[in-house]
Amino acid sequence: AQTVTQSQPEMSVQEAETVTLSCTYDTSESDYYLFWYKQPPSRQMILVIRQEAYKQQNATENRFSVNFQKAAKSFSLKISDSQLGDAAMYFCAYRSAGANTGNQFYFGTGTSLTVIP
Amino acid sequence: NAGVMQNPRHLVRRRGQEARLRCSPMKGHSHVYWYRQLPEEGLKFMVYLQKENIIDESGMPKERFSAEFPKEGPSILRIQQVVRGDSAAYFCASSPNRVDTQYFGPGTRLTVL
Repeated sequence: AQTVTQSQPEMSVQEAETVTLSCTYDTSESDYYLFWYKQPPSRQMILVIRQEAYKQQNATENRFSVNFQKAAKSFSLKISDSQLGDAAMYFCAYRSAGANTGNQFYFGTGTSLTVIP
Repeated sequence: NAGVMQNPRHLVRRRGQEARLRCSPMKGHSHVYWYRQLPEEGLKFMVYLQKENIIDESGMPKERFSAEFPKEGPSILRIQQVVRGDSAAYFCASSPNRVDTQYFGPGTRLTVL
C-alpha cells in the first residue's frame, strides 16, 4: 500500500514570511495525483493545491506552490507571504490514477502550522 | 453550487446505540467517499460508493459498519452498537468521476459516551 509521510508535526512562521512543509511518499506506480489539503480549526478539509505526476511543471495557486520531485518521491508545499488565516493543519495526500485503484486518498499525519503575528 | 453537506455536525451516542451519518454530495457528483479521522491522525479511507453501488469497502470494519448511497437521497454511514473507540470525526467527500479531485464536507464529530 502507498504511504505518505509528513515528518514535521509542527511548524511556525512569522507573518509575511515564507514556509515550506515537507511530504514524502512511497509508491511503485508511475501515474498518480498528489494533493495538499488544509484543515483549519473548523475541521473543514479545504483543497489547497493538486499536482498530476505526469506533469513536470510544479503546480502554483496564488501564494501556494509545490516542489514536486518525482524521482525523490517528494512533494513539498511552499506558502509565501504567510497570513494569519493560513494557520491550520496541513495534510499531504496521494491518489493513484490506475484503472482498478485510485478509489481512495492516502493521507499523511499532518503538519500543524502556526502563524506568528 | 453548494458544497458537500454533512449532518449532523455533532452526534453524541451512548455505547450500544446506533449512529447514522448523512452526506449529500455536491450537485453533479455521483461518487461518494467516507473517511474517518481519529484524534491527532490523518484521514483513513473507509468506503467508496456510487449511486446504489458499493465500489470499494476495503477500509470498512467488518462488523457494525455499513454504508449506502441510494438512488434518491443522501449517502448514509451507519454504525450499529457503537463503542467508545468509534469516537472520531467522519468525513464525506464527493467527486464527479472516479479520478477527479475529491471535495470534502465539514465532517461529523461522533462522541460515544
